[in-house]
Amino acid sequence: DSGVTQTPKHLITATGQRVTLRCSPRSGDLSVYWYQQSLDQGLQFLIQYYNGEERAKGNILERFSAQQFPDLHSELNLSSLELGDSALYFCASSGELSNTGELFFGEGSRLTVL
Amino acid sequence: GEDVEQSLFLSVREGDSSVINCTYTDSSSTYLYWYKQEPGAGLQLLTYIFSNMDMKQDQRLTVLLNKKDKHLSLRIADTQTGDSAIYFCAERNTDKLIFGTGTRLQVFP
Repeated sequence: DSGVTQTPKHLITATGQRVTLRCSPRSGDLSVYWYQQSLDQGLQFLIQYYNGEERAKGNILERFSAQQFPDLHSELNLSSLELGDSALYFCASSGELSNTGELFFGEGSRLTVL
Repeated sequence: GEDVEQSLFLSVREGDSSVINCTYTDSSSTYLYWYKQEPGAGLQLLTYIFSNMDMKQDQRLTVLLNKKDKHLSLRIADTQTGDSAIYFCAERNTDKLIFGTGTRLQVFP
């Protein structure tokens, strides 16, 4: 158990819809990262938050947005969903005390868009 | 660019050694990592190597780093069926990790 919790584990929805994925980082971790894992694209970095502020942005579509709340949990919002958005979405967290920069991953939220 | 490349598949016989290779792009990466993803699970850190090291050994795992060629490898000795998984290498880029495409290791009896 990494200590990172993601909900929901599975989500099936239709094209055009909007979903919210939630992540609770490990206790005390200030950084939260979102990654997308699809069959043909591997593991793609989407966005990072640190203590409520956006710190780095990767290959995140404009239809997607994220935020980190004062209690440090994070949400990833996916809107106007397309078939190609079907993927596993991982959240990871890291702490200040880890000088190796290790990320701790949740078990992922599997999104299926029909 | 930020591309980390790995071969997609590797198949080995139980008891043999497995070698998974990776090439990365950022020569300033301070740490390089190997993560393991078992079916239906998230990624778990297997091992890491600091960029000023050439080799790191941890039980059955040996990591080799060739900074000149930006090449990283993971050797698993005495591979077991429980080692079947997807293995990702990753490089550290500022605060975030950039992952390779993953190598699916299949171990057959």
